[in-house]
Amino acid sequence: DQQVKQNSPSLSVQEGRISILNCDYTNSMFDYFLWYKKYPAEGPTFLISISSIKDKNEDGRFTVFLNKSAKHLSLHIVPSQPGDSAVYFCAASFQGAQKLVFGQGTRLTINP
Amino acid sequence: SAVISQKPSRDICQRGTSLTIQCQVDSQVTMMFWYRQQPGQSLTLIATANQGSEATYESGFVIDKFPISRPNLTFSTLTVSNMSPEDSSIYLCSADRDTEAFFGQGTRLTVV
Repeated sequence: DQQVKQNSPSLSVQEGRISILNCDYTNSMFDYFLWYKKYPAEGPTFLISISSIKDKNEDGRFTVFLNKSAKHLSLHIVPSQPGDSAVYFCAASFQGAQKLVFGQGTRLTINP
Repeated sequence: SAVISQKPSRDICQRGTSLTIQCQVDSQVTMMFWYRQQPGQSLTLIATANQGSEATYESGFVIDKFPISRPNLTFSTLTVSNMSPEDSSIYLCSADRDTEAFFGQGTRLTVV
């Protein structure tokens, strides 16, 4: 049972445009959500997080939106840069960052 | 952010043998986590390693196959025992700092 789903295995975006990565979850008990970026041969790197008491969190070029009624979150990257090309994982947890449940990942490619 | 050193970064092992993966954190942390990422799959939690007590394993993972040590608050090991080709994966350790989780660079294991 996949509790966190990223339905797009890959996404290609033009440099300078907006990248939107989507994530759906099924367990309404999740109260904390995170996005990670992963380059080949490296561990995931934390990007941004959001608590279930908020519906938006912004950090520089990265914004995460949470729609609790739809059990959906999205990561917006604007403007997209070539260095953003990586695999992005969304993750969900109970009680902070412990015991993360990950989606399958979306490979983002930024084209020059 | 926390710095987590994980080794080896990769290994090729014969079936039936065991491999121990080490994870060192640059500061004391209460809980450490071990994840597995099988080819094309999401990150899956194997177990939570607490200092001074036995590790807590997730459904589908057992101590005989994945024994874990946690001798102090900065170090943990995961052993993959009696390996088969199905164990070929990336194994990652993780630790929490505040509400964020940080990861080692991963160990890419190939079993032949």
